Order: sequence, then structure tokens, then C-alpha cells
Amino acid sequence: QKEVEQNSGPLSVPEGAIASLNCTYSDRGSQSFFWYRQYSGKSPELIMFIYSNGDKEDGRFTAQLNKASQYVSLLIRDSQPSDSATYLCAVRSGGTSYGKLTFGQGTILTVHP
Amino acid sequence: ETGVTQTPRHLVMGMTNKKSLKCEQHLGHNAMYWYKQSAKKPLELMFVYSLEERVENNSVPSRFSPECPNSSHLFLHLHTLQPEDSALYLCASSHTTGSYEQYFGPGTRLTVT
Repeated sequence: QKEVEQNSGPLSVPEGAIASLNCTYSDRGSQSFFWYRQYSGKSPELIMFIYSNGDKEDGRFTAQLNKASQYVSLLIRDSQPSDSATYLCAVRSGGTSYGKLTFGQGTILTVHP
Repeated sequence: ETGVTQTPRHLVMGMTNKKSLKCEQHLGHNAMYWYKQSAKKPLELMFVYSLEERVENNSVPSRFSPECPNSSHLFLHLHTLQPEDSALYLCASSHTTGSYEQYFGPGTRLTVT
């Protein structure tokens, strides 16, 4: 079983729609959860992190965490073509103090006009 | 991306060569990381340094040798690599190893022939 698994893409949505990206993780001791965006040929950049159950909103982005189900998601409202990128889910275990992040394989999102 | 720089951006080397990758961060951070990103595989942590001390070696083969002479610079020395080591090598930094956000450099695209 993969430690961090993301819904297989690619995901294609029309401009203005809601894009839903999903991630499950295997380590119940995980404490912090991150969503990175990586444009083609670029390095990852952090767009959101969440560590408490529930929703966290930042502009058009909403992260949702359900620790009981070991599930974290990212919703992108009013999707724009500029949101087209690979989205990486990352998880930090509670058993480490040195910032180790375990990444999923990424979901490619395409927003078409 | 200018907060964390990496050189060279592209590198082609033979299996018998020795080369080094360099990373420099201009953010005043105390933690630095090496990651490997291979095609169709998750981003994988290789090494973590905190205040020039290595705190994690994630089962990386000895043909990869990191060096952290100070908190702003990080090197990855390469020798007798294999073709399967071809990947994008990303450097990242964070304020401390406990910080939520890691800032990535642009990466070095390595090809081993």
C-alpha cells in the first residue's frame, strides 16, 4: 500500500468549475497535511496546509481533512486555466521532528477554457 | 524561486564521472533538504540538514554524498551513478525542520548516460 495516494488523473475541468483533488494516507500518526502545486518544468510551491479536522479556506482554495477516514482533499473553486498544474499531496508524520514530508504521486489538473 | 538557487540546472554525466550539485538559500533558514523527483514516482526525501547537522538519511545509496558547510549552502556529491539515478534533484529549505513551509529551488535535471 502506498503511504500517500492521490486520485489518478489527469483531471480535466472547464473554466469556472470546481476541481476536486483527493488524497488518502496510511499512517494514522500523521499530523500535518500539505498541498503543493507544481507547474510543468517548475519546482513545487506550497498552496495550503491543514492540521485540524474540518475545512480550511484560503481564497478559491479549500482544504478538507478527515483524520478518521485518513483523507485530505483540495477544492479549487472557479477554476482558471492558470490553475492547470500537477497538485502534490504531502503528509508529515507525527513521529519525526525533522520535517520529513511523504508525497503522493501527484494529480495533473487541466482547466480548459 | 530566487530564495533558493541551484546549480547547475542541467547536468549530463557518465557513470564513471564525479560531479556536485550546489544549493544556496538566501532566506536565513536553518534547515535544508535534498529531494529526488523521478518520472512517474512521488517526490522522495533524500537528506535533511538542521544547522549543518545531518538529521535524516533516507536510505540513500552511498554514491550520493551530501555536504552542508553552513546553513546557507548544501551540496550533493555524485559518483559512479547509475542510469536509474537520472531525475530532477530538488533542494528545499525551511526556517526550522518543524516549519510548515518548505521552499523549493528550481532543481537540477540530471541525466546519467
